[in-house]
Amino acid sequence: SQKIEQNSEALNIQEGKTATLTCNYTNYSPAYLQWYRQDPGRGPVFLLLIRENEKEKRKERLKVTFDTTLKQSLFHITASQPADSATYLCAPQKDSGGYQKVTFGTGTKLQVIP
Amino acid sequence: NAGVTQTPKFRVLKTGQSMTLLCAQDMNHEYMYWYRQDPGMGLRLIHYSVGEGTTAKGEVPDGYNVSRLKKQNFLLGLESAAPSQTSVYFCASTLTSSGNNEQFFGPGTRLTVL
Repeated sequence: SQKIEQNSEALNIQEGKTATLTCNYTNYSPAYLQWYRQDPGRGPVFLLLIRENEKEKRKERLKVTFDTTLKQSLFHITASQPADSATYLCAPQKDSGGYQKVTFGTGTKLQVIP
Repeated sequence: NAGVTQTPKFRVLKTGQSMTLLCAQDMNHEYMYWYRQDPGMGLRLIHYSVGEGTTAKGEVPDGYNVSRLKKQNFLLGLESAAPSQTSVYFCASTLTSSGNNEQFFGPGTRLTVL
């Protein structure tokens, strides 16, 4: 069955450093992969989408890579700030029977320490 | 634009009671989704709708029913609530079913079934 793995343990990082979050998936060949941010008590908010034929995507301080051979996506936040503290969800996506089937990982909690 | 709204925000039910959760979006999106989020489980799709008047089962549909009588509204019903349905429920919408579509989430409904 399809499986998505994200670091279950929280990631603590010093302010100003680069945070790297990992998403691994198995038994799956997604055409796209999305990343979301979720703050406590709120719904997820979309951050970035990367296609299977793209190796890397950037948006301001965010960078996502997508390695379909390793079945892995890495999410980087450069020059991290305390405001970046949140849970980040990986969401591989594949068109399935006329709608986009998105499967969410359990998320990695990031804590940026001032 | 309000985006995606959900009512109520919180609800406590007794086992066997029924209730309806309402999701509304003002973005003219075709696709709408209901998820539940439990600790360690990630977001799991309950039901989804590809347009007004159409619904389909997701990953965990048992115990739930849905209706999409109007394009902007998607209702989730629990006919006889069980403690296993204690969870946070999120509604989401997307414009179309093409691949690169971000999901817009509502703020969530926290449901406790005693």
